[in-house]
Amino acid sequence: AQTVTQSQPEMSVQEAETVTLSCTYDTSENNYYLFWYKQPPSRQMILVIRQEAYKQQNATENRFSVNFQKAAKSFSLKISDSQLGDTAMYFCAFIYNNNDMRFGAGTRLTVKP
Amino acid sequence: DTGVSQDPRHKITKRGQNVTFRCDPISEHNRLYWYRQTLGQGPEFLTYFQNEAQLEKSRLLSDRFSAERPKGSFSTLEIQRTEQGDSAMYLCASSLVGTGGGGYTFGSGTRLTVV
Repeated sequence: AQTVTQSQPEMSVQEAETVTLSCTYDTSENNYYLFWYKQPPSRQMILVIRQEAYKQQNATENRFSVNFQKAAKSFSLKISDSQLGDTAMYFCAFIYNNNDMRFGAGTRLTVKP
Repeated sequence: DTGVSQDPRHKITKRGQNVTFRCDPISEHNRLYWYRQTLGQGPEFLTYFQNEAQLEKSRLLSDRFSAERPKGSFSTLEIQRTEQGDSAMYLCASSLVGTGGGGYTFGSGTRLTVV
């Protein structure tokens, strides 16, 4: 079974500081994709960053970067220079072979001024 | 293209009534997905279409749930004889087949409240 686990239900960070959100997943597949989605309050899910499992290099998108550890099946998200607009639910997600995307339970991040 | 559109944004219904939600995907996307999201949880997959064909429906929550995509464009999700446990956010997403690695584009969702 393909499962995604986010062990931090809630986190907070001071504005301008760095925070890391954790995600682990379970799969027997070798080729797959991992994602972090952001869901602001009452707004739609937005793709933050994606990682292809066959690429060893960690993905980076501006202030967002991932630490992908394939052997450990770990996929954490680092947000640098946190901004108030980063306050949202963050979901880790997994997909393989054009199957449906599986999501973790989410981490609620609050950025404090 | 304005992205994935869902209508209505909010729906309040009495228990036992039928409800129908609509999703308009990105026009060039041939895959369309329906998810349910309950409070404090991640989205839970319900069903998906490739063009007009419904390729997976075994994970619809019960036989009260059904979905259609008659012309391979917009889709509808219907819940018959609603129950209080059906209260949730219903999300629609779309993608191009073969590009799952690019992720899905989500709509803003329809929030259903069953009273």
